[in-house]
Amino acid sequence: QLRLQESGPGTVKTSETLSLTCTVSGVPVTYDYFWTWIRQSPERGLEWIGSVYHSGGSSYNPSLGGRATISLDRSKGQFSLSVTYVTDADRAVYYCASRTLFNKYFRSWGQGFPVTVSS
Amino acid sequence: QSVLTQPPSVSGSPGQSVTISCTGASSDISFNQVSWYQQSPGTAPRLLIYEVTERPSGVPTRFSGSKSDNTASLTISGLRAEDEAAYYCSSYTTTGTYVFGPGTSVTVL
Repeated sequence: QLRLQESGPGTVKTSETLSLTCTVSGVPVTYDYFWTWIRQSPERGLEWIGSVYHSGGSSYNPSLGGRATISLDRSKGQFSLSVTYVTDADRAVYYCASRTLFNKYFRSWGQGFPVTVSS
Repeated sequence: QSVLTQPPSVSGSPGQSVTISCTGASSDISFNQVSWYQQSPGTAPRLLIYEVTERPSGVPTRFSGSKSDNTASLTISGLRAEDEAAYYCSSYTTTGTYVFGPGTSVTVL
């Protein structure tokens, strides 16, 4: 059974880089999944950040203005999110999630990881 | 960036049916890749419906989805106390992105 678990610093300073990791268990990250980050805040609701495929293909939400990058660590069975130049608007609960190659919905989700932004 | 709209809240008595609408545009809802998620406080969203009408295994049959033009709907039949939660619609878009609705809070009276 596919399981996802987020981890990382819970606080990041304004203008610095937010970095989170999602550990995947139950399937290799090289399976036919799109590994995805989604965030949720009271102000913006649920927001898809982006997805990455093990072959290297990726896509991102234009609303982040190119600040987000998702990368895959095949040896560790993890994928990571980096968001540069954070502001208070990046304060949210961050979820890692997955969808299979040919589906367009997210069946598996991590439990969520809250991130605050400090000045 | 497309936007999905949902009513902020709906309510019903146990045993009744409630329907939540999700209105989008030709660039998203009409794509037939609409999914619905249920979220209880402090937990991650849970997939309820995918591809407009399909239910994953383990989701009760009282949850059903439909679509007409650019509006998708989630119906909960035979409302139960445990159905009290927030419900979000989501759609894949023609630009290869995903959008979510603002969520609808369901209250069981």
